[in-house]
Amino acid sequence: QKEVEQNSGPLSVPEGAIASLNCTYSDRGSQSFFWYRQYSGKSPELIMSIYSNGDKEDGRFTAQLNKASQYVSLLIRDSQPSDSATYLCAVNVAGGFKTIFGAGTRLFVKA
Amino acid sequence: DTEVTQTPKHLVMGMTNKKSLKCEQHMGHRAMYWYKQKAKKPPELMFVYSYEKLSINESVPSRFSPECPNSSLLNLHLHALQPEDSALYLCASSQGPSQFFGPGTRLTVL
Repeated sequence: QKEVEQNSGPLSVPEGAIASLNCTYSDRGSQSFFWYRQYSGKSPELIMSIYSNGDKEDGRFTAQLNKASQYVSLLIRDSQPSDSATYLCAVNVAGGFKTIFGAGTRLFVKA
Repeated sequence: DTEVTQTPKHLVMGMTNKKSLKCEQHMGHRAMYWYKQKAKKPPELMFVYSYEKLSINESVPSRFSPECPNSSLLNLHLHALQPEDSALYLCASSQGPSQFFGPGTRLTVL
């Protein structure tokens, strides 16, 4: 059973702080990794994709991938109340169309 | 056009009704997907079409019937649904591994 595990939270951080979201996956053959943001009642929005070990930065977001440890993380710097949402980690099964989603981590950013 | 559109936004239907959900994308993406999402759960894959051919059917009950009339359109035909089928139905498309979601259809089965 291919799995993607996330801490369901809620994770609460003060405004301006760094929010750190973590994800582990079971399939060593996975090649593509994604973070989606989902506001309540809305659809998931792709915010980061990462394919190789290391860090990838996009504005206030940094994705980190460690394939040896089967670990993906998302850092949100200078967190804003508008970042309050559920963050879904997603892993693409190698070579196919199937993407496995984690259960999501709820993030609350307190003003 | 860089988005996936879905209609209707909301749908309420009885268990004997037949209805259809529609999805459209004009990004030239080769793959289109249907997902079902229940409250506080992650999206669950239902079907994948690649180049207008059904590639994945995740053992979805036959009361859900997908159709891909052309490379831009994806339909999900609904018949004899159960109240437990009430959920957010999401369409997505992709050219590579990154999938882009439409806004979803909120379905309620009475």
